Amino acid sequence: SQQGEEDPQALSIQEGENATMNCSYKTSINNLQWYRQNSGRGLVHLILIRSNEREKHSGRLRVTLDTSKKSSSLLITASRAADTASYFCATVGGGGSNYKLTFGKGTLLTVNP
Amino acid sequence: GAGVSQSPSNKVTEKGKDVELRCDPISGHTALYWYRQSLGQGLEFLIYFQGNSAPDKSGLPSDRFSAERTGGSVSTLTIQRTQQEDSAVYLCASSLGSYAYNEQFFGPGTRLTVL
Repeated sequence: SQQGEEDPQALSIQEGENATMNCSYKTSINNLQWYRQNSGRGLVHLILIRSNEREKHSGRLRVTLDTSKKSSSLLITASRAADTASYFCATVGGGGSNYKLTFGKGTLLTVNP
Repeated sequence: GAGVSQSPSNKVTEKGKDVELRCDPISGHTALYWYRQSLGQGLEFLIYFQGNSAPDKSGLPSDRFSAERTGGSVSTLTIQRTQQEDSAVYLCASSLGSYAYNEQFFGPGTRLTVL
């Protein structure tokens, strides 16, 4: 079953603009992770934020986590055409499992050159 | 070293046939996971291995699905008497351990089409 819901479902922007994707989840978590998927195949891990962290940066990525609202956001700054992909949030923990990734439905990001 | 590999990359089969999907995890990774991605259900957890044991099979959708892992390495997911609703991309992932903060590395997936 899905834990998270991402919004928007699809996002189209111009190269150089920032892209923001949001994720909400239902139960308590140990950590939240963001993944990228190109062309419906393998998932690439982007960033992990622990439940006691509020913000994390990695290159052009910024992730925030608000456990009181059970939500997270992923910001990609200065987007590039190569960032075109589907982005998924996934939660770990909160149900006795410290290994199982529970994914949201994803946001399809299109960056137009 | 090499990443997670899966074979075949694509599999087309007829309803009622059995299929085997293979996963080669990253060397030294003790934890291995199978997930399934379909249009209707999104990305779903199927089964988790720690070594050769599967302490969590809770995501397997029916008793037609089984998996094994041998030598703490290669894993095979078997689907018996395939049905059209089994059509999906089957993703395998591995991690150093099953600690919550261990990154899971995914393979490219096997796209299964049941006609």
